Amino acid sequence: GQNIDQPTEMTATEGAIVQINCTYQTSGFNGLFWYQQHAGEAPTFLSYNVLDGLEEKGRFSSFLSRSKGYSYLLLKELQMKDSASYLCAVRDSNYQLIWGAGTKLIIKP
Amino acid sequence: DSGVTQTPKHLITATGQRVTLRCSPRSGDLSVYWYQQSLDQGLQFLIQYYNGEERAKGNILERFSAQQFPDLHSELNLSSLELGDSALYFCASSVPGLATYEQYFGPGTRLTVT
Repeated sequence: GQNIDQPTEMTATEGAIVQINCTYQTSGFNGLFWYQQHAGEAPTFLSYNVLDGLEEKGRFSSFLSRSKGYSYLLLKELQMKDSASYLCAVRDSNYQLIWGAGTKLIIKP
Repeated sequence: DSGVTQTPKHLITATGQRVTLRCSPRSGDLSVYWYQQSLDQGLQFLIQYYNGEERAKGNILERFSAQQFPDLHSELNLSSLELGDSALYFCASSVPGLATYEQYFGPGTRLTVT
């Protein structure tokens, strides 16, 4: 079956760095997405990886290793507004998105 | 603002009733996706339409149905509602042909079944 694993919850301190991991087992691979979702709001697109390596976008970076079925989202200089759920999603061989359950990130002052 | 609109924003109804949720995709987007998100749960993919035709089906109950109209807006029909159907329902749209064609989500419809 298809499966995406993320930690359920993480806590970090304002100003620090946090890494959210995602491992996946899917039928084929056509890209991995990270979305941010604040409570009660719509998910918003953060990043996309299809080749191995690191993609950097301001304070956020996303890494992919296809051979290991592994990705992480790195958030630097954490701000209180970064408190949200972070969703990992993989596009499979049928170009369908398989979603992880999300990681709830709590930022403490 | 993602450009995807959903109506209504909130809906309160009783068990056994039927409701229709509406979604208008971003201009130019041909694909529409419907998701259900129960409280503190992950996104559950329900169904996808592409240019008026059903493209993929997820965990959609038989009591639920959807369609996409020629103007590309979509409706999700939920019938014989149960308490467990209370959730946020999101619509998303995407553009085919782009390398990423990430999904853009609407603000959601919060359905409460009492």
